[in-house]
Amino acid sequence: GQQVMQIPQYQHVQEGEDFTTYCNSSTTLSNIQWYKQRPGGHPVFLIQLVKSGEVKKQKRLTFQFGEAKKNSSLHITATQTTDVGTYFCAAHNAGNNRKLIWGLGTSLAVNP
Amino acid sequence: KAGVTQTPRYLIKTRGQQVTLSCSPISGHRSVSWYQQTPGQGLQFLFEYFSETQRNKGNFPGRFSGRQFSNSRSEMNVSTLELGDSALYLCASSLGTVNQPQHFGDGTRLSIL
Repeated sequence: GQQVMQIPQYQHVQEGEDFTTYCNSSTTLSNIQWYKQRPGGHPVFLIQLVKSGEVKKQKRLTFQFGEAKKNSSLHITATQTTDVGTYFCAAHNAGNNRKLIWGLGTSLAVNP
Repeated sequence: KAGVTQTPRYLIKTRGQQVTLSCSPISGHRSVSWYQQTPGQGLQFLFEYFSETQRNKGNFPGRFSGRQFSNSRSEMNVSTLELGDSALYLCASSLGTVNQPQHFGDGTRLSIL
């Protein structure tokens, strides 16, 4: 079936280091959404990208959508302990944009 | 605006029993989706309801069922519980139109003994 592959599965960084997680699809996506789930919490919507090549920033977070709309990345500059959690990407397939397809998530741990 | 409300927050059942979980979406949201989350398995999509109709379905056995009422509240039922059904069950609501974000509840933690 349709899949969104997310890598890496886990990432351990020192506070102040940068972090990037990637989502890749073999099919063209209608959009890509990013969510963050803190330990013990529920996923919280961060942002949505819709246009080819789109780049959006939220403070230290930078989100990109690939030119071919098949991949996306989330980059965090100078991580802080508050960034700890699992980051999920989710996307609607261009052919059937009502079913949301989820990546397995990247769990980020930050050493103070 | 009140968020998504899921009840109960915690539940302990034994094998073979059945369980019903409830989800009240954000006011005005017509779509409710259900997910199962277990460690290392990410979010496994169960089904989505929109205007009282099941619009999308994941790859779960028929023991998992749901419904949505006219006020958009939704229930999920699991029959003949198995040990492997122990998980966090999350409900998410959205407006239901294209490219809308999902708003999650705190989930129901189900433990099967």
